[in-house]
Amino acid sequence: DTAVSQTPKYLVTQMGNDKSIKCEQNLGHDTMYWYKQDSKKFLKIMFSYNNKELIINETVPNRFSPKSPDKAHLNLHINSLELGDSAVYFCASSKDQETQYFGPGTRLLVL
Amino acid sequence: GDSVTQMEGPVTLSEEAFLTINCTYTATGYPSLFWYVQYPGEGLQLLLKATKADDKGSNKGFEATYRKETTSFHLEKGSVQVSDSAVYFCALRSGGYQKVTFGTGTKLQVIP
Repeated sequence: DTAVSQTPKYLVTQMGNDKSIKCEQNLGHDTMYWYKQDSKKFLKIMFSYNNKELIINETVPNRFSPKSPDKAHLNLHINSLELGDSAVYFCASSKDQETQYFGPGTRLLVL
Repeated sequence: GDSVTQMEGPVTLSEEAFLTINCTYTATGYPSLFWYVQYPGEGLQLLLKATKADDKGSNKGFEATYRKETTSFHLEKGSVQVSDSAVYFCALRSGGYQKVTFGTGTKLQVIP
C-alpha cells in the first residue's frame, strides 16, 4: 500500500531531451509538492499545489512545468534537459501543510 | 525570511553513544518544528515534531524540545544504533500556505 509513489525511479537521458516524472498519492491529501535534492543532500522546494491550484512556485527555470490533473496526482515535465538538472526529485503530499509524506524519489541523470 | 541552521556533518559515533544534532531557526510568528530522517536510497520521513514552545517531540528513542527563547530544536538520542545511520533534516513551517523550510541535513554514521 504505497502512500506516495513516483515513476520512474531512475531516469537516464541525454541533454536537450524532454522528460516527465509522475507522482501519485493515495492518502487523500490536498497538497502536493516537488522537491529537488542535489548531490550534497540539499533539499529545495520547487512547486506546491493545493486542490490542483499552484500555491508555491519557487525560482525555478521555466523549463520545469508542473501539472496537477487531480488532487491525487502531480506530474513534473522538464523541457530541454541540462546537465545541472541531474538530481533526485522527490514528490511529497500533506493534509494540512504540516507533516509531509515523501515518495521514494526519482534519480535523474542527464548525460 | 525563514531559515534553519543545522550542524554540519558527517557525525560519526560508536554504537550506544549519545547523539546530539543541533538545529536553530529564524522565523516569523510561531512556527511548527520538525525532524525528518532519510535512510539511504529512500525519501524523507517524519521522525518527530513540535508545534508550540516547550513541546517535546519524541519517537524511536529520539527527542527534541521546542525552545523559543533560544530558537532551537536540537535532536537527541541516548544510545544510537547502527540502524540509525541516515541523514537528519531539521525543518520548520510558519503557518498558512507557507512552504516548509529545510536545513541542509546532517549525515549520521554509527559504527559497531
